[in-house]
Amino acid sequence: EVQLVQSGAEVRNPGESLRISCKASGYTFTNYWIAWVRQLPGKGLECVGIIYPLDSDTRYSQSFLGQVSISVDKSANTAYLQWTNLKASDSAMYYCARFRQTEIHPFENWGQGTLVTVSS
Amino acid sequence: SYELTQPPSVSVSPGQTATITCSGDKLGDKYTSWYYQKSGQSPVVVIFQDSERPSGIPERFSGSNSGNTATLTISGTQALDEGEYYCQAWDGDTDVVFGGGTKLTV
Repeated sequence: EVQLVQSGAEVRNPGESLRISCKASGYTFTNYWIAWVRQLPGKGLECVGIIYPLDSDTRYSQSFLGQVSISVDKSANTAYLQWTNLKASDSAMYYCARFRQTEIHPFENWGQGTLVTVSS
Repeated sequence: SYELTQPPSVSVSPGQTATITCSGDKLGDKYTSWYYQKSGQSPVVVIFQDSERPSGIPERFSGSNSGNTATLTISGTQALDEGEYYCQAWDGDTDVVFGGGTKLTV
């Protein structure tokens, strides 16, 4: 069974750093892209960026360039989303999702989401 | 940047057909996927590659895409279909674009 299990909810102060994770199981991690998707409270879905674990090919959506970094640890079958200077506006639910190929395949499996709260 | 436009809300009576549209420039030239999100849960894909249904998704869900509009159709809509629906397409091989979402009320 394919599973994407995300790390638990986090609370941070503005200016702090944070890394959240998405651990994959039930499939060959390096054969599928991982996407990170943000959902602001009461709002819609926005793609933060995508990464291909085999070669760490990483692509960020324009709105998130320079704001976050995405990485993987192939040995741990885990993808990460990281901030170095959190803002209150980063408070949101973040989902990871896997998909096979850009432009063609859907986000076929999703993690349960990680709620990030940034507040002083 | 590429944009997808959905109606904010659609209302349908139980047993009737719900139609949710998604508009974008030359959207028919791209593959569109549709996701369903129940409140407090992760999204689930219900249609991909315009009209394909993943295994486990009921046959009452169907999709089409032509010109500038993709359409999700739910035949014999049930109360359990209530929730938010998002369309999604790619702008090139880097940018994933989601529509703003449509709240379906049954």
